[in-house]
Amino acid sequence: EIVLTQSPGTLSLSPGERATLSCRASQSVTSSYLAWYQHKPGQAPRLLIFGASGRATGIPDRFSGSGSGTDFTLTISRLEPEDFAVYYCQHYSNSLFGQGTKVEIK
Amino acid sequence: QVHLQESGPGLVKPSQTLSLTCTVSGGSVSSPNYYWSWIRQPAGKGLEWIGRIDLSGSTNYNPSLKSRVTISVDTSKNQFSLKLTSVTAADTAVYYCARGIAAAPVYSVDVWGQGTTVTVSS
Repeated sequence: EIVLTQSPGTLSLSPGERATLSCRASQSVTSSYLAWYQHKPGQAPRLLIFGASGRATGIPDRFSGSGSGTDFTLTISRLEPEDFAVYYCQHYSNSLFGQGTKVEIK
Repeated sequence: QVHLQESGPGLVKPSQTLSLTCTVSGGSVSSPNYYWSWIRQPAGKGLEWIGRIDLSGSTNYNPSLKSRVTISVDTSKNQFSLKLTSVTAADTAVYYCARGIAAAPVYSVDVWGQGTTVTVSS
C-alpha cells in the first residue's frame, strides 16, 4: 500500500513569499497519478495539479508541481492572501491522501 | 458543467448505518473514464478517502473502512450512494461526493459536491 507523507505539517509564511510543500511516497509511484488539492474551511477541495505537474483549469501559474519517483513538490511562487489553506497530495493508485500541509499567515 | 449534490440524514445513531446519496447533474454516472468517490473530513482532521466506484461497478475502498463500506451506482437515477455500517462518533464528519477522471493525463478528482455534515450521536 502506498503511503503519502507530507511535510511540513504547517508552513508559516507572509504574502508574497514562496511556499514549497513536499509529498513523499513510501515507494516509487507513477507521477501521472499524483495530484494536489487545495482546501479552504467551509469549501469543497479544489484540484490544483494533476499528473504531478499539470495545472488544472483556472489555476494561476504561480502554482506549480514537480517531482518523480517518491518525491513530489508543490510550489506557490508568490503567496496571495487567498492561497492560505490546507494542501493535500493524492495518488490515484489507491486514492489515499497525504495528511496535509497547512499554509498559514505568519 | 457537472454538479454533485449530497443528501441524507444529518444525524445517525451509534451502531446504525449511515446512508448518503450523491445526485449528479450536468453529466452522467454512465460516462466512460470517470469514477465516483466518497471522501470525508472529521472536524479538525484531514481529508480521508472512503472509496470509489467506476462505470463497470468495480469498487475500491479504504482498507481502514473496507469492512463497513458499500458504494453503489444507480444509473436510472444518475446517482451514487454510500453506506457505512456500525457507525460510531469517530464517523462524524463532513462527507463529500466527488467525480474523478481515470484517463490520461488527469487521474484525479476534478469535481466535488459541497459536502454534508453527518453527526453520529444518540
